[in-house]
Amino acid sequence: AQKITQTQPGMFVQEKEAVTLDCTYDTSDQSYGLFWYKQPSSGEMIFLIYQGSYDEQNATEGRYSLNFQKARKSANLVISASQLGDSAMYFCAMREYYTGANSKLTFGKGITLSVRP
Amino acid sequence: DTAVSQTPKYLVTQMGNDKSIKCEQNLGHDTMYWYKQDSKKFLKIMFSYNNKELIINETVPNRFSPKSPDKAHLNLHINSLELGDSAVYFCASSPLGTTRDTQYFGPGTRLTVL
Repeated sequence: AQKITQTQPGMFVQEKEAVTLDCTYDTSDQSYGLFWYKQPSSGEMIFLIYQGSYDEQNATEGRYSLNFQKARKSANLVISASQLGDSAMYFCAMREYYTGANSKLTFGKGITLSVRP
Repeated sequence: DTAVSQTPKYLVTQMGNDKSIKCEQNLGHDTMYWYKQDSKKFLKIMFSYNNKELIINETVPNRFSPKSPDKAHLNLHINSLELGDSAVYFCASSPLGTTRDTQYFGPGTRLTVL
């Protein structure tokens, strides 16, 4: 079974509007972390936001917020006031306990977001 | 200041050759990783090192050999390159390797095997 599922096809949003990118995950661990990364066409992977499984509040970072619904195992990224520079591929990832002090990051397949002027 | 750097950025080579990709981080992190991103943009972990010790080796062919001379460097050597090795390889680092620690990625190395 996939650990991270991102099923939305390419997403489009009008500049200045908000958009939600969906992510569901599967784990039996109690302790895990959820991350969103942005990959623009230039190719680098940019960290956006983190949510811990024990965090009671939804994470926010500037225009990014994470809608964390633990019971549903979903961690959707909300981008408010979209900008043209938000056009990119967005990856949801989960970090589970692996061994010792280390754990690995498992990525979803990504969602392409296009912002229209 | 570049946090995680990789060289080279592009690598074009013939099948059967041996090549290396270098990675350095100046964040003082303890843990470093190699990821492979295939042509469909799928990212998968290959290796992780913690303080020069190999921690994760994810069913990667033994033609791939990581080497960590110190905790700030993690190099990837690939022997007998095959067409299927063409991909973008990302190095990443994190403070430790716990679930809370964010991984920061290098700019990637696009490897093309002809």
